[in-house]
Parts: sequence; structure tokens; C-alpha cells
Amino acid sequence: DAKTTQPPSMDCAEGRAANLPCNHSTISGNEYVYWYRQIHSQGPQYIIHGLKNNETNEMASLIITEDRKSSTLILPHATLRDTAVYYCIVRLRGNTGKLIFGQGTTLQVKP
Amino acid sequence: DADVTQTPRNRITKTGKRIMLECSQTKGHDRMYWYRQDPGLGLRLIYYSFDVKDINKGEISDGYSVSRQAQAKFSLSLESAIPNQTALYFCATSDPTPGQGYEQYFGPGTRLTVT
Repeated sequence: DAKTTQPPSMDCAEGRAANLPCNHSTISGNEYVYWYRQIHSQGPQYIIHGLKNNETNEMASLIITEDRKSSTLILPHATLRDTAVYYCIVRLRGNTGKLIFGQGTTLQVKP
Repeated sequence: DADVTQTPRNRITKTGKRIMLECSQTKGHDRMYWYRQDPGLGLRLIYYSFDVKDINKGEISDGYSVSRQAQAKFSLSLESAIPNQTALYFCATSDPTPGQGYEQYFGPGTRLTVT
């Protein structure tokens, strides 16, 4: 599975959009980008995933660059409850299902 | 209602003791996983199971064993606990059905301390 690089921490003002970047320059054509988050010591929570096209669900949007070497998770209106560690994971969709967690980005949403 | 439950939620045990962590799920998923998380680090995979008859080692299986008693139950055992097994342990499930996305659903975690 491709390796990812994320900034260790970011701040965001409450009510503003939070844009979390992820670099995955070694991604291969059949690997998907997944995002999870972990709110203080709770179990990680799935957010969204995508292959090539941008994706949106009730939680967030995922923007993947045309060359697929990087992506951005967007939380459109961050709330204090969005304070968490966000993990960007790249993996084959049909493989063992193993997730390789890096260190993630700690997002602090401030009032 | 929690779809993935773990028991106990917290446990303190002594070095050398055998301990079992249990995971149950009501999602009907075939795939189950055990991870551990150390402070400030991401999760690392210990064992995973694709069905009752299929058990596989993950990145860090030494010192651990597992049992898949049923589709809904997956237990992790520490045969002889040691202090560096002090960590937060998570169970997870996923649905391998094509089109289901293979997202993993995590339990609330078990905080284990080995003294």
C-alpha cells in the first residue's frame, strides 16, 4: 500500500472550512484514498473514500488531484466536535482490508 | 446502539497473567480485526479474520493469539502479559461484499495496563 504524508497538526476556526491535505505520490492506479478520524481515544471512524473523482457525503468532501498524488479532505463547517486526529490511508480496495495508519493530522477546532 | 462492542473497557493486570479481550459485533460482517494503539501513534494490526475458519497474523502478532468463536465474536488473548503490551486495543469489522466500500467499523476500545 502506498505511503501517505500529512501535516502533524492544524488549527481551524469554528464554523469555517477545514482543509486537511495528504500527499500520496507513490499511489498506484488501483489504490483508493480513505479518510478516518479518531476523536480522543475513541475507535476510529470512517469518513469518506475515493479513487479518482471528487466525493462528497454528509460528513465531508474529498478532492483528489488529477494526477492522484495528493488529496484534500474538506469539513465544510467545522465544529468543536470535529477536533480529532485525521488519518489519510491509501490502499487497494479489494485486498485484505488491512489499514495502515500513519500518525495523522491533529485538527484543533477553536471557538 | 453499538454495533461493535468490546469487553472489558479497562483492565489492569500483572506481568505474566493471561488475559482475554472480547469483541462482539451485530453488523453481520465476516471480517474482523484486532489493532493496538500506543500513545501518540497510529493503529497497528495484530490479527485479522476473514471468516470463522480463516485467521491471519498482522504486523505485530508475537505475544498474542486469537479465537474466532462465531461470525460475531473475535477474542484476543495475551498468554503471558508483559508491560510493553500496555496499550489501547481496538476491534474492527468490515464487509467484503463488492460495492460496500470495505470501510472498517471500530469498537470503543479496551485500555489495558500491564504492571
